[in-house]
Amino acid sequence: ETGVTQSPTHLIKTRGQQVTLRCSSQSGHNTVSWYQQALGQGPQFIFQYYREEENGRGNFPPRFSGLQFPNYSSELNVNALELDDSALYLCATGMPKNIQYFGAGTRLSVL
Amino acid sequence: GIQVEQSPPDLILQEGANSTLRCNFSDSVNNLQWFHQNPWGQLINLFYIPSGTKQNGRLSATTVATERYSLLYISSSQTTDSGVYFCAVLTDSWGKFQFGAGTQVVVTP
Repeated sequence: ETGVTQSPTHLIKTRGQQVTLRCSSQSGHNTVSWYQQALGQGPQFIFQYYREEENGRGNFPPRFSGLQFPNYSSELNVNALELDDSALYLCATGMPKNIQYFGAGTRLSVL
Repeated sequence: GIQVEQSPPDLILQEGANSTLRCNFSDSVNNLQWFHQNPWGQLINLFYIPSGTKQNGRLSATTVATERYSLLYISSSQTTDSGVYFCAVLTDSWGKFQFGAGTQVVVTP
């Protein structure tokens, strides 16, 4: 049990739609990071939030955006969905320079 | 950016066997974690080990930071050990992990 909850667990969307994925963590975990994991690959860093500000971004276009809220929850928003966005999306929370805990992920299918 | 290489990419073991998984990284790191990803996608943290040696039951890990590698040992493997094992490193103070490509482990009865 990592204390990190993601919702929904599965989602099916069509190309061009928008999607919002959610993550909630334990109290005190003031960093949240989002990762995309394509089938058969390791997770790829999308971005990280610290105290509600974006604090680093990987090689993902601006249609991937996020929010972090004061209650330690977070959202990942993806606009104009493309077929290649089909993947497992993982969030990780923790404290800087410390162990990071991952949620179970949201599996997104774009048709 | 930092490169993380895991070997072997695939491993098939008979139940009861021992094995060693390796993770090489190209730069100094602040954090290194080993994860086991189960068939449902959950990444289970096995070890937080930026340096030194740790043991947890049948699993143990060693990181030699000066030589930029980490090893994960699985002893007396069980079928429940099957899955993908990832090494991930942090190069700064924050949670931007760089993952290796993983080692797919299959333990047969």
